[in-house]
Amino acid sequence: DGGITQSPKYLFRKEGQNVTLSCEQNLNHDAMYWYRQDPGQGLRLIYYSQIVNDFQKGDIAEGYSVSREKKESFPLTVTSAQKNPTAFYLCASSGLQETQYFGPGTRLLVL
Amino acid sequence: QKEVEQDPGPLSVPEGAIVSLNCTYSNSAFQYFMWYRQYSRKGPELLMYTYSSGNKEDGRFTAQVDKSSKYISLFIRDSQPSDSATYLCAMSDSNYQLIWGAGTKLIIKP
Repeated sequence: DGGITQSPKYLFRKEGQNVTLSCEQNLNHDAMYWYRQDPGQGLRLIYYSQIVNDFQKGDIAEGYSVSREKKESFPLTVTSAQKNPTAFYLCASSGLQETQYFGPGTRLLVL
Repeated sequence: QKEVEQDPGPLSVPEGAIVSLNCTYSNSAFQYFMWYRQYSRKGPELLMYTYSSGNKEDGRFTAQVDKSSKYISLFIRDSQPSDSATYLCAMSDSNYQLIWGAGTKLIIKP
């Protein structure tokens, strides 16, 4: 089945720790995105990538980093510089059209 | 002022009612319009995609775009309890980035 997978489903971060969220797609899409969603709010763009080995900052990139070494993969690292990381993180991809397709999400909690 | 405005609700209606969800926007360059449905603790799923103005129908769902008024709507006919979710509007001017509304929480009461 074609789709987007995210792992883990839940992630716990200790203070001062970096954590990495995984996102993989087998839709052969060129573009991939990371969003953050806080309770009762819409989606805010963290980073996006339109092609392998290239990515751009979104609206709230501070405290986050990404890499795009393969077309299928776009991992997100939440660094210790992100002081309020508790949120629902969503990965998406898009092909030739503007529509984006989402993974199931990762919920990040701070211990 | 946000680029896309969407009433967060919640909007509560009885089963079988017609539901109207709306978004307004300020950027006249937007030409791609989408509606997504998001169940609690799940990723959003694409419901409707419309290019430019006009109506598009898919089963019980109708998407309407009025570019002159900068207003888009999603209508749900014969609403079901399974339609209870948050509905997000999104739009683009074709630069690979979507601009999102905050989402409207919809509750269909049996």
